[in-house]
Amino acid sequence: DQQVKQNSPSLSVQEGRISILNCDYTNSMFDYFLWYKKYPAEGPTFLISISSIKDKNEDGRFTVFLNKSAKHLSLHIVPSQPGDSAVYFCAASGKGGNTGKLIFGQGTTLQVKP
Amino acid sequence: DTAVSQTPKYLVTQMGNDKSIKCEQNLGHDTMYWYKQDSKKFLKIMFSYNNKELIINETVPNRFSPKSPDKAHLNLHINSLELGDSAVYFCASSQDPGKSEQFFGPGTRLTVL
Repeated sequence: DQQVKQNSPSLSVQEGRISILNCDYTNSMFDYFLWYKKYPAEGPTFLISISSIKDKNEDGRFTVFLNKSAKHLSLHIVPSQPGDSAVYFCAASGKGGNTGKLIFGQGTTLQVKP
Repeated sequence: DTAVSQTPKYLVTQMGNDKSIKCEQNLGHDTMYWYKQDSKKFLKIMFSYNNKELIINETVPNRFSPKSPDKAHLNLHINSLELGDSAVYFCASSQDPGKSEQFFGPGTRLTVL
């Protein structure tokens, strides 16, 4: 039973445009969400996070939006750069049995074309 | 300076063998984790240790035994390796077991023949 889903396996955008990666979750006990970026043959690298008490968090070119009622979050990258090409994972953790556990989505491969 | 390191990076072995993967972090974190990324690319938590104490133990076969000799190290020993154990294993660490970012190692690709 997949609690965190990234329904788009891949996304291709032009350099300089906006990249929007989406993530849905089912468990209402999740209260902390993270995005990780992964290059081939490397471990995931933390990108940005958001607590459920917020609906937006920004860090440079990266913004994460959280819609709790829809159980949906998105990562916006503006402007996109070729170096952003990677697999992006969304992850969630929360209270109770999910404390300290990161539950990952299956990833979205982003390709930014020059 | 590597924050979370794993050895070996690649491991090829025969079914039935016993093998270990080592992980070390120099971030001064209290909590360490093992994750498995299977052939479908799903990353799933296996174990977590906080201050050398096991705090998360997912439904993992008991052929897998983590060991934490100190806060900076978390090793994974696998007995009687099976074909289905082939995967990439990632070690990670975080400041505490709560809502803090986890930092991942580069992964160990295990291939069981």
